[in-house]
Amino acid sequence: KAGVTQTPRYLIKTRGQQVTLSCSPISGHRSVSWYQQTPGQGLQFLFEYFSETQRNKGNFPGRFSGRQFSNSRSEMNVSTLELGDSALYLCASSLVQGATEAFFGQGTRLTVV
Amino acid sequence: DAKTTQPNSMESNEEEPVHLPCNHSTISGTDYIHWYRQLPSQGPEYVIHGLTSNVNNRMASLAIAEDRKSSTLILHRATLRDAAVYYCILSSAYNTDKLIFGTGTRLQVFP
Repeated sequence: KAGVTQTPRYLIKTRGQQVTLSCSPISGHRSVSWYQQTPGQGLQFLFEYFSETQRNKGNFPGRFSGRQFSNSRSEMNVSTLELGDSALYLCASSLVQGATEAFFGQGTRLTVV
Repeated sequence: DAKTTQPNSMESNEEEPVHLPCNHSTISGTDYIHWYRQLPSQGPEYVIHGLTSNVNNRMASLAIAEDRKSSTLILHRATLRDAAVYYCILSSAYNTDKLIFGTGTRLQVFP
């Protein structure tokens, strides 16, 4: 069974640009969560989607958005990139909302220059 | 969200048991205790979770204090592959998809 797949693995963008990251959950999993990991702030929850609806949101500005498709695949978008958005973005999938085990992908390393 | 407190780092020798402590004095009655670990250059990996009773699985054991204000993750025989950052996380039973990670404990395992 394939794990959580995140694409691309690495990305370099310029300040002011926007970026879209993709996450394919484990087959059959319907809940997808996104996290940002930086050396200074650690792992921070961004948002969670279930059945194409955002169910939870972390404390991030509106520049960070996401969506989930009917096949449970999810994308997150960051607009007007800032240097501080450089981070490892991790996606996690769960079988259902409220499941007690989340499976993480290897992440997308975003560098903003 | 209830917070957890863990030591920044711990060391162990291979083949020895490791006890990783976690304090969560503000835990509520509906909070689950989760443990995840993150190996170098990888995403976090689920280890174990519990609510009130001690739990065992193939990876580890979770010992939960009677008042639930602390817990201990037990690795019975550490291997080099167990070197990772271990996170103790609380999540509401109604909101288990929102994991609030702390700073975790960096475990070093020596041969």
